[in-house]
Amino acid sequence: KNQVEQSPQSLIILEGKNCTLQCNYTVSPFSNLRWYKQDTGRGPVSLTIMTFSENTKSNGRYTATLDADTKQSSLHITASQLSDSASYICVVSVASGGSYIPTFGRGTSLIVHP
Amino acid sequence: GAGVSQSPSNKVTEKGKDVELRCDPISGHTALYWYRQSLGQGLEFLIYFQGNSAPDKSGLPSDRFSAERTGGSVSTLTIQRTQQEDSAVYLCASSPRNSGDRGRSPLHFGNGTRLTVT
Repeated sequence: KNQVEQSPQSLIILEGKNCTLQCNYTVSPFSNLRWYKQDTGRGPVSLTIMTFSENTKSNGRYTATLDADTKQSSLHITASQLSDSASYICVVSVASGGSYIPTFGRGTSLIVHP
Repeated sequence: GAGVSQSPSNKVTEKGKDVELRCDPISGHTALYWYRQSLGQGLEFLIYFQGNSAPDKSGLPSDRFSAERTGGSVSTLTIQRTQQEDSAVYLCASSPRNSGDRGRSPLHFGNGTRLTVT
């Protein structure tokens, strides 16, 4: 069964600090990997997409990395802000019968304290 | 333009009743997805539509669950004879396309319907 696993499950940091979230996947065949941010009570919102050939991609204070050989991705958040408190979800698209089905990890719950 | 709209935002129902959840996707988006999110869990894939057809229904947990999409737009997810384990947030997402871009289009989510079965 395809799996997307994230760590840590939860994380608490102080405002202004950096943090790194991890995602390991076993899905195949791999198409792309996205990181989503989900605020409490809202639907997830896409932060960045990584394709097979990309190693690093930045979006403001968010930097995602991908190692397709080891099937690992990370999301690094720089100079955290209170508004970064949310669940961060790793999503891998799996090719299935001509379609591409996004498979979601359970997410990392990030809490940023002042 | 408007984002993905889901209704109702909250639904409390008695065990054994049927419920209908509605999703209005972003205009022009051909791909539509239903996911279920239980407390503290990840999003569980239920069903995917491309236009009005559902190429992948593999995630529907039982025959009590069904979904349809009409006119390539609005979708309804129906749960018959609800059980307490059906309690969850049901999220709908739409995307401009699916297979044509190797699944690279982002999903745009609604805020979900929180279903509570008592």
